[in-house]
Amino acid sequence: QVQLVESGGGVVQPGRSLRLSCAASGFTFSNYGMHWVRQAPGKGLEWVAVISYDGRNKYYADSVRGRFTISRDNSKNTLYLQMNSLRAEDTAVYYCAKDQIVGSYAFMDVWGQGTTVTVSS
Amino acid sequence: EIVMTQSPATLSVSPGERATLSCRASQSVSSNLAWYQQKPGQAPRLLIYGASTRATGIPARFSGSESGTEFTLTISSLQSEDFAVYYCQQYNNWPPWTFGRGTKVEIK
Repeated sequence: QVQLVESGGGVVQPGRSLRLSCAASGFTFSNYGMHWVRQAPGKGLEWVAVISYDGRNKYYADSVRGRFTISRDNSKNTLYLQMNSLRAEDTAVYYCAKDQIVGSYAFMDVWGQGTTVTVSS
Repeated sequence: EIVMTQSPATLSVSPGERATLSCRASQSVSSNLAWYQQKPGQAPRLLIYGASTRATGIPARFSGSESGTEFTLTISSLQSEDFAVYYCQQYNNWPPWTFGRGTKVEIK
């Protein structure tokens, strides 16, 4: 079945870096755009970034642009989020999510279970 | 950026009763509106897309409707497993993809 499994979360000091991974299975990963969405403790959902099916196009939320980089390796069916210059307000559960539409962007139809990032000194 | 406003923040409903959740977009999003359900400690799950199309495996008691920039999620007869937080999301004007703040459906 379609599955997304995130990893790489942890506790990190402000200003440091962390890289999240999302392993995909059960679908043709290289056909779909992929998103990162986060949820701060007790808060709602915040879209973070998206990457096109071929990795050529990337978009970011204003809150992370210039600090976070989304990438993918279609040969490994894996999505990444490189997070630099981390701040306390980046503390959240980070979900990867598959876009529903082939070759473009729409909504998220499959979500991973999430990985927790805590930024604290 | 399109702002999505959900109401109420909390809805107290008895099992078996109908629940009506609202979501308003700050400008037109056409029918490009999705609803997600999130239970504590779990990832969001897609319920509705295209404002009114149920996702695969979603029971018929969940329905979505729209009127201009106003969207409604109706749960016709609440089951115990339906108590959760529900989010609406627009995917018409991106980036960014924007979510409402959520409506918590709790047991009355």
